[in-house]
Amino acid sequence: KNEVEQSPQNLTAQEGEFITINCSYSVGISALHWLQQHPGGGIVSLFMLSSGKKKHGRLIATINIQEKHSSLHITASHPRDSAVYICAVVSYNTDKLIFGTGTRLQVFP
Amino acid sequence: NAGVTQTPKFQVLKTGQSMTLQCAQDMNHEYMSWYRQDPGMGLRLIHYSVGAGITDQGEVPNGYNVSRSTTEDFPLRLLSAAPSQTSVYFCASSYLAGDYTGELFFGEGSRLTVL
Repeated sequence: KNEVEQSPQNLTAQEGEFITINCSYSVGISALHWLQQHPGGGIVSLFMLSSGKKKHGRLIATINIQEKHSSLHITASHPRDSAVYICAVVSYNTDKLIFGTGTRLQVFP
Repeated sequence: NAGVTQTPKFQVLKTGQSMTLQCAQDMNHEYMSWYRQDPGMGLRLIHYSVGAGITDQGEVPNGYNVSRSTTEDFPLRLLSAAPSQTSVYFCASSYLAGDYTGELFFGEGSRLTVL
């Protein structure tokens, strides 16, 4: 079993829909990152959080340390949000990043 | 700021050849790292560095070598390329926020094919 699990693996949506991507982890963590990767492109950091909730534009990230779970929400989704979203945790014991395999999101007009 | 600059973007090698992937950052970050990305798998750490002169192995270090002579540069060397090293490679840097890495900054990636 992977230490970081994301769901769903693939997600399609119509423009304007509310999107939720989930990340569950099984190790103690110091922090959690949400990353975005466009097709054929580089990786961009969206959020780093260790507790609570962060918001940036239409993106919201939440984390529940007790339940070992984080969610990334996209409000009013747009085709330009189409990308792979990656969850990564910083292991408390090793200080190393452990990556999920990503959620591929496609938003259609 | 240029951020993290990674070169080359594409490279084709023959088995047994050696090459170096270059990575440079201009943000004065202490932490730099190399990852490989393979289909169906999460990014895997190859090597990392927490400062000039300090490097350590990650999850999949075999066949790769690194050095950190300056804060800015962190090259990744493939000593004798093998088809199993066909992958997309990413360099990343961050500041160190106490015991863990801060916001991550990635290069654009290098797609390597070994024939």
